[in-house]
Amino acid sequence: SQKIEQNSEALNIQEGKTATLTCNYTNYSPAYLQWYRQDPGRGPVFLLLIRENEKEKRKERLKVTFDTTLKQSLFHITASQPADSATYLCALPTSGGYQKVTFGTGTKLQVIP
Amino acid sequence: DADVTQTPRNRITKTGKRIMLECSQTKGHDRMYWYRQDPGLGLQLIYYSFDVKDINKGEISDGYSVSRQAQAKFSLSLESAIPNQTALYFCATSDLGIGELFFGEGSRLTVL
Repeated sequence: SQKIEQNSEALNIQEGKTATLTCNYTNYSPAYLQWYRQDPGRGPVFLLLIRENEKEKRKERLKVTFDTTLKQSLFHITASQPADSATYLCALPTSGGYQKVTFGTGTKLQVIP
Repeated sequence: DADVTQTPRNRITKTGKRIMLECSQTKGHDRMYWYRQDPGLGLQLIYYSFDVKDINKGEISDGYSVSRQAQAKFSLSLESAIPNQTALYFCATSDLGIGELFFGEGSRLTVL
């Protein structure tokens, strides 16, 4: 089964700086990778999906990269704001297909004013 | 109104009691999921259903059962609750193919 590693330590960053979060995976290369945001006590909210043939995906201040050689995805938030403070989860297909995903444990981001 | 609604939002019960968590959705999605979240362990898949006649076990199905009453409704039951089932439970839906998951607000269950 797929093993996903996200930095369990919280990431503290100054407002206005770029936050970079890492998602590493083992075993097979997934067809896609998803990123979600989760606020305390709330359900995760989908942010971005990147496919294996895409190197980079952008949405407003968010950017995701996908390196299948390194088995890694990087999630960037540029010009970070205190409102970006949350836990960010990456998710990959559980098997080679699309049927269900496995989530990483998430990285908590704190943007300091 | 939320697209994915879970009830109850909070429940405290005792060991051995039967508990049902309900999920309903207005997104018209065929796929529905139940996840459990514990601090430091992330989201773990309990059961999932791709249509009304399809039920599949996830990673941690022991001690749980589900019922897909309709396309829009998917219930999770704990036949005899135990303290280590204390957790935050999420229902989610997705469309076909590579679908993003839409989560409910969660049901916090405490088993004493």
